[in-house]
Amino acid sequence: AQSVTQLDSHVSVSEGTPVLLRCNYSSSYSPSLFWYVQHPNKGLQLLLKYTSAATLVKGINGFEAEFKKSETSFHLTKPSAHMSDAAEYFCVVTNSNSGYALNFGKGTSLLVTP
Amino acid sequence: DGGITQSPKYLFRKEGQNVTLSCEQNLNHDAMYWYRQDPGQGLRLIYYSQIVNDFQKGDIAEGYSVSREKKESFPLTVTSAQKNPTAFYLCASSNSVVTPLHFGNGTRLTVT
Repeated sequence: AQSVTQLDSHVSVSEGTPVLLRCNYSSSYSPSLFWYVQHPNKGLQLLLKYTSAATLVKGINGFEAEFKKSETSFHLTKPSAHMSDAAEYFCVVTNSNSGYALNFGKGTSLLVTP
Repeated sequence: DGGITQSPKYLFRKEGQNVTLSCEQNLNHDAMYWYRQDPGQGLRLIYYSQIVNDFQKGDIAEGYSVSREKKESFPLTVTSAQKNPTAFYLCASSNSVVTPLHFGNGTRLTVT
């Protein structure tokens, strides 16, 4: 069994300040984890992925996430928010034993204020 | 450039009518998926297909049907049996189990 919990449904930051979007997961096997971003009325775009290599994963647009097995977390961070980062963010978990089943979190809406 | 094309972007139908959403990919991916997105609920899997002429139900398959006659195409039919069909529908594809999904830009279906 596997699942993912995004701890905040909404996060608001000021432009230029750090971003932290929190994700906890559970998985019976070694997980693969992803973060996706979705802008309004668009599909989802992959930000970054963890598949059992380096625990600190760098993605596009300055985002990164750290896999912490002891805390079962995969939080997404960015040092300095930009207005264009305002979007919905999804944490996703799967594993090689789950077939094609991916479990999506319910999403975190990021608001960036000037 | 390779990608996934969903059409149309917006679709309006009367209650009781079946409607088919198109999804085409030129990524040469084996697997294709249909997800439904409702506000505050994340994405829920409707159907997926790993190879041509084969598909499996996801978590919320009732009231939907699919076909996979070609590798590139995975149309979704929303039937009149679907109790609450108004939603944003996303098609995706992938090359294997743990590679990331590539998404289309979605179709917003409104049934009145």
